[in-house]
Amino acid sequence: GESVGLHLPTLSVQEGDNSIINCAYSNSASDYFIWYKQESGKGPQFIIDIRSNMDKRQGQRVTVLLNKTVKHLSLQIAATQPGDSAVYFCAENLKGGKLIFGQGTTLQVKP
Amino acid sequence: ETGVTQTPRHLVMGMTNKKSLKCEQHLGHNAMYWYKQSAKKPLELMFVYSLEERVENNSVPSRFSPECPNSSHLFLHLHTLQPEDSALYLCASSQVPSSYNSPLHFGNGTRLTVT
Repeated sequence: GESVGLHLPTLSVQEGDNSIINCAYSNSASDYFIWYKQESGKGPQFIIDIRSNMDKRQGQRVTVLLNKTVKHLSLQIAATQPGDSAVYFCAENLKGGKLIFGQGTTLQVKP
Repeated sequence: ETGVTQTPRHLVMGMTNKKSLKCEQHLGHNAMYWYKQSAKKPLELMFVYSLEERVENNSVPSRFSPECPNSSHLFLHLHTLQPEDSALYLCASSQVPSSYNSPLHFGNGTRLTVT
């Protein structure tokens, strides 16, 4: 069926370390993927996206990797900071524009 | 400032009340969405309006009634809700028809508690 999942509900990292948040998706027809960050008391905020014709895309301190062979998406955050503490969601866009969200991984940054 | 503004931020209502949630987007988008966010569950799409026409209604109970008077404003009218409807209600907007390079932009939500 259609589902987007994350491997771990909570990830705890030391400040300054790199973080890797993983996401597995099930629909091989999905053509676009997005990562969102949601801080406490706020709505989801767009971080970075990637199309299915790419396998890597970099932003400021963030990198998204897409492995279509195993239907896996990851978000890497370099030099994690306390302000990165939030819930991170991946979402896949099915052809036709329907967006399906995963459950989210809570990133906790230890000082 | 997210570009998508939702009011009120918090709402407590009884099961017999009628209330409305309001959303306004300042991004020039032509599609607007209502999502429900409950604890431990993925975001659930409720309604989609594209070019001011409702294009999706995901089997949402009739006690939730959306209204989109123009491309910048979206309402969710609530009546005779149940305690299980307590959740964070998120409004979002985007540019259609393509989702490429136009992901959803969310507001900060209305935290609804039904007593």
